[in-house]
Amino acid sequence: SQTIHQWPATLVQPVGSPLSLECTVEGTSNPNLYWYRQAAGRGLQLLFYSVGIGQISSEVPQNLSASRPQDRQFILSSKKLLLSDSGFYLCAWTLGRTSGNTDTQYFGPGTRLTVL
Amino acid sequence: TQLLEQSPQFLSIQEGENLTVYCNSSSVFSSLQWYRQEPGEGPVLLVTVVTGGEVKKLKRLTFQFGDARKDSSLHITAAQPGDTGLYLCAGASKGGSQGNLIFGKGTKLSVKP
Repeated sequence: SQTIHQWPATLVQPVGSPLSLECTVEGTSNPNLYWYRQAAGRGLQLLFYSVGIGQISSEVPQNLSASRPQDRQFILSSKKLLLSDSGFYLCAWTLGRTSGNTDTQYFGPGTRLTVL
Repeated sequence: TQLLEQSPQFLSIQEGENLTVYCNSSSVFSSLQWYRQEPGEGPVLLVTVVTGGEVKKLKRLTFQFGDARKDSSLHITAAQPGDTGLYLCAGASKGGSQGNLIFGKGTKLSVKP
């Protein structure tokens, strides 16, 4: 069965510090991967998605970047955090295009980021 | 721009009551997913509906996809405190690429014992 991991679970960082959040998926190959940010108790904003190694698409301009160095690894980064980067970050995966249904997304446990 | 409107935004009910949550759009979706999310955790998939008019049941939860595949509803019978959470619907576009989903803003349900 497939599993998705995110770490760290919580993070408190000062303004201006760098950020690295990691997401890994097990039990599947060539997944599509996604990073979302969620405002307190509300809907999800898609930040980045990737259909393969080194392929990153950005949905909104922001202070963040993403990378996919390996097939099942997705990293969210920032060089200098802003207060507005605080939030709940979720990673998700779907089956890749060649695997059939790509509609259903499966989410990781999330990372709560607080920028002070 | 495709939008999914969920209603109500908040719902507080007593244990044993029935409720319905709605997810509406002017766009057609190839499929629609419902998720439940508890505080501090990621959303957990409840169901995917694909065919217009489709009805799926998951214990006390009944999901329906509209005939035109533009809307969906979630009905909970005899709600229990364990049903408390944020319910999110998400639609996939026909012909959309990369499996991107459009998410509603969610319905926050509180079931009091």
